[in-house]
Amino acid sequence: EPEVTQTPSHQVTQMGQEVILRCVPISNHLYFYWYRQILGQKVEFLVSFYNNEISEKSEIFDDQFSVERPDGSNFTLKIRSTKLEDSAMYFCASSDGLAGGSYNEQFFGPGTRLTVL
Amino acid sequence: LAKTTQPISMDSYEGQEVNITCSHNNIATNDYITWYQQFPSQGPRFIIQGYKTKVTNEVASLFIPADRKSSTLSLPRVSLSDTAVYYCLVADNTDKLIFGTGTRLQVFP
Repeated sequence: EPEVTQTPSHQVTQMGQEVILRCVPISNHLYFYWYRQILGQKVEFLVSFYNNEISEKSEIFDDQFSVERPDGSNFTLKIRSTKLEDSAMYFCASSDGLAGGSYNEQFFGPGTRLTVL
Repeated sequence: LAKTTQPISMDSYEGQEVNITCSHNNIATNDYITWYQQFPSQGPRFIIQGYKTKVTNEVASLFIPADRKSSTLSLPRVSLSDTAVYYCLVADNTDKLIFGTGTRLQVFP
């Protein structure tokens, strides 16, 4: 069964550093998402991406964040100048249609746990 | 700000039916309601999706009233392995995807 993969599984960084979280969505999917989940809290939407551009973004997704699909398989989330409060689990997801607006499910990766010290 | 709320937790015993309700007052007119299951240290996993009335698949049913401001996930005959956190997901009227607050279901033997 195809699955979304994410690397690394755990990233530790110093405050102020830049991190790049990587995701490989399911190959025939067209829509890509990033979410974050602070420990013990709910999953929060960050951004959706389609046709090489951002479709929607939340208030959380400010200038500190950026996404990119550098090639035909990877989807990355870059966090510049990390802060302590960026510590969370970051999930990538993909779907073959626009989630929420049509009958398509999102497939989630296993997540990257980011720890900012 | 759109709010999507669920009960914090629920307890059940094996073999019982569990109903979890999500309130989503600002759901977008054309968007579907999706429910996910999440185990510790894993990504959410799709359970069921619907637009209105009732949807049923091999694991759950989803009931959506006419005004679509809430939805109820029904899990028939739960087992210990259904112990997890359950989230509803909707798009609000600004097309932002909003996860519910999550319901932690504990199933006892």
